[in-house]
Amino acid sequence: ETGVTQTPRHLVMGMTNKKSLKCEQHLGHNAMYWYKQSAKKPLELMFVYSLEERVENNSVPSRFSPECPNSSHLFLHLHTLQPEDSALYLCASSQFQDSYEQYFGPGTRLTVT
Amino acid sequence: EDQVTQSPEALRLQEGESSSLNCSYTVSGLRGLFWYRQDPGKGPEFLFTLYSAGEEKEKERLKATLTKKESFLHITAPKPEDSATYLCAVLGYALNFGKGTSLLVTP
Repeated sequence: ETGVTQTPRHLVMGMTNKKSLKCEQHLGHNAMYWYKQSAKKPLELMFVYSLEERVENNSVPSRFSPECPNSSHLFLHLHTLQPEDSALYLCASSQFQDSYEQYFGPGTRLTVT
Repeated sequence: EDQVTQSPEALRLQEGESSSLNCSYTVSGLRGLFWYRQDPGKGPEFLFTLYSAGEEKEKERLKATLTKKESFLHITAPKPEDSATYLCAVLGYALNFGKGTSLLVTP
C-alpha cells in the first residue's frame, strides 16, 4: 500500500449507531488531518494531529471523536450522528503540521439515515 | 474574517482552448495559497503552493500565479484528462478552502 488509505470507502449508519473511520498513511509524515466535504460547500478542516497530539479542533460536535494512536494511523469515531452529517470524510497527511502540501486519501462516503 | 472565492463555479472548454481559473481571497497575513485537483470519487491531489505576490509555479499545462488579492490557475491547451474540480485553499490564521471550479474539457 502506498500513500493514504481510508476504510471503509462507503458507510451507511443509523442515527443511534456507533462506527469508526480509519485512515492510514504510508508516507512517513508527522501530521494528519480529518476533513468534511459536503456538496456545494468548501472543504471543512475538522481535526489536526501533529506527532500524535491533537493541535486543532475546529468547533466540531462531540459526536465526532478523533483518535491518533501513532503517526501512521488516524481514526474518527462516530456516534449518534445526524442526517446532516452525511458527507465525504477525507483524511490527509503532511510532512509537518505547518506544511499544507497535503496528501489526501480517497475518502469515506458516509450516509446517516 | 478570512474568505476564499473561486470563479467560475463551472467551466466548459474545448480541447486546446486555453483559459484561467480565479481564486480571490481576503486574509489577515497570508502564509500560503494552495491549489489542488480533485477527480470524482477521489481525494484532492496537491498541485502547487504559492507564498508571496509575484510568485509563479508551473506543471505541465498548468501555471499558477499569485497577487496580493488573487491567484490564477492558467490552463494552456487543455486536454480531456484535465477535467476535474480545482480547489484553492488559503492559509492565514487558519486554512480555508474555496468551493472549487468544475472544469470539463471536451474533445
